[in-house]
Amino acid sequence: EVQLVESGGGLVKPGGSLRLSCAASGFTFSVCHMNWVRQAPGKGLEWVSSVRGTNSDTYYADSVQGRFTIARDNAQNTLYLQMNSLRVEDTAVYYCVRDASGPDLWGQGTLVIVSS
Amino acid sequence: DIQMTQSPSSLSASVGDRVTITCRASQDISKWLAWYQQKPERAPKCLIYAASNLQGGVPSRFSGSGSGTDFTLTISSLQPEDFATYYCQQYNSYPRTFGQGTKVEIK
Repeated sequence: EVQLVESGGGLVKPGGSLRLSCAASGFTFSVCHMNWVRQAPGKGLEWVSSVRGTNSDTYYADSVQGRFTIARDNAQNTLYLQMNSLRVEDTAVYYCVRDASGPDLWGQGTLVIVSS
Repeated sequence: DIQMTQSPSSLSASVGDRVTITCRASQDISKWLAWYQQKPERAPKCLIYAASNLQGGVPSRFSGSGSGTDFTLTISSLQPEDFATYYCQQYNSYPRTFGQGTKVEIK
């Protein structure tokens, strides 16, 4: 089955760290451009970060630049998002998204809550 | 950054109505626009990519058009399962940006 399954979300204090994972299956992960998109409670969608499949170039939203790191392990078909120096405003559901026919496949999301 | 402006932000419509949602980019994005449908507590679902290409499995009542800066999502005959929030997103350049969403409600 073609799918993306995120994990690693949870409750963390401001200033803390968390690493999200996204396990891909059913397609050739290594060639796909991959993304993280988030959605704060009751809000719209916000693109967070992307990594190319071919050369692993990375891209970040200004709001997370220098705090978040996207990475991929093509041998394990897994995408990661290392989140450091977390802020209250990082509270959101984080989605893993594949680019194939456009940004066409989304995971179910994992909830990150940053609160003291 | 490219700004994506969706309109309207919400609309009320009846089953069977034709519904049109527009998305305007602040600069030329060629055809690199996607449309998503999101229902409460669910992940977004991609309906349209490259402005006018229907994703597999998406009903043909959904269509997309446009290029450059002006884009449209049309639902030809609204069905009960279509009540949801719709977003556009440009993927021409980074940062990739979304429209603010259009909530389609039952009249």
